[in-house]
Amino acid sequence: DQQVKQNSPSLSVQEGRISILNCDYTNSMFDYFLWYKKYPAEGPTFLISISSIKDKNEDGRFTVFLNKSAKHLSLHIVPSQPGDSAVYFCAAKLRSNFGNEKLTFGTGTRLTIIP
Amino acid sequence: GAGVSQSPSNKVTEKGKDVELRCDPISGHTALYWYRQSLGQGLEFLIYFQGNSAPDKSGLPSDRFSAERTGGSVSTLTIQRTQQEDSAVYLCASSLSVAGYEQYFGPGTRLTVT
Repeated sequence: DQQVKQNSPSLSVQEGRISILNCDYTNSMFDYFLWYKKYPAEGPTFLISISSIKDKNEDGRFTVFLNKSAKHLSLHIVPSQPGDSAVYFCAAKLRSNFGNEKLTFGTGTRLTIIP
Repeated sequence: GAGVSQSPSNKVTEKGKDVELRCDPISGHTALYWYRQSLGQGLEFLIYFQGNSAPDKSGLPSDRFSAERTGGSVSTLTIQRTQQEDSAVYLCASSLSVAGYEQYFGPGTRLTVT
């Protein structure tokens, strides 16, 4: 049962344009969402996150939007650069009294930026 | 500062053999996680250590898998009697206990069971 879904396995975007990566989730008990970026032969690196009490978080070229009613979040990258070519994973954390908890990951979207 | 390190980076083993994978977390990080990524799949949670608490083993796929964390630092993931379906990249991550939920990942160990 895939609780975090990334339905687009791949996406190609022209350099300079906006990249939009989508993620859907099914568990309403998730209260924190993260995006990770992964290059080949490397571990995932944290990119940006958002708490469920917010609907937007921005960090430079990266913005994450959360629509709780639709159980949907998206990552916007603008402008897209060749170095953004990587696999992007959406992840979610369950509400907990203990702080750190395991993350549930989507299957990833491979983003290719075309020069 | 040093990030999360894992060894070996690659491991090829014969079906039925035991393997040990090692993880050195970031110094001072009290939480340590093991995940694996099979071909074409997302990251699958395996086990989680937090300080001196009992580990969360809910993601371990079978009793052939076990992990320990010595001295609150280094962790070893052991797979006994390996099967071909154990072939995957095994990723370790660590995080601070209270300063947000970002997990920092190591480069992974690619395990191939022949």
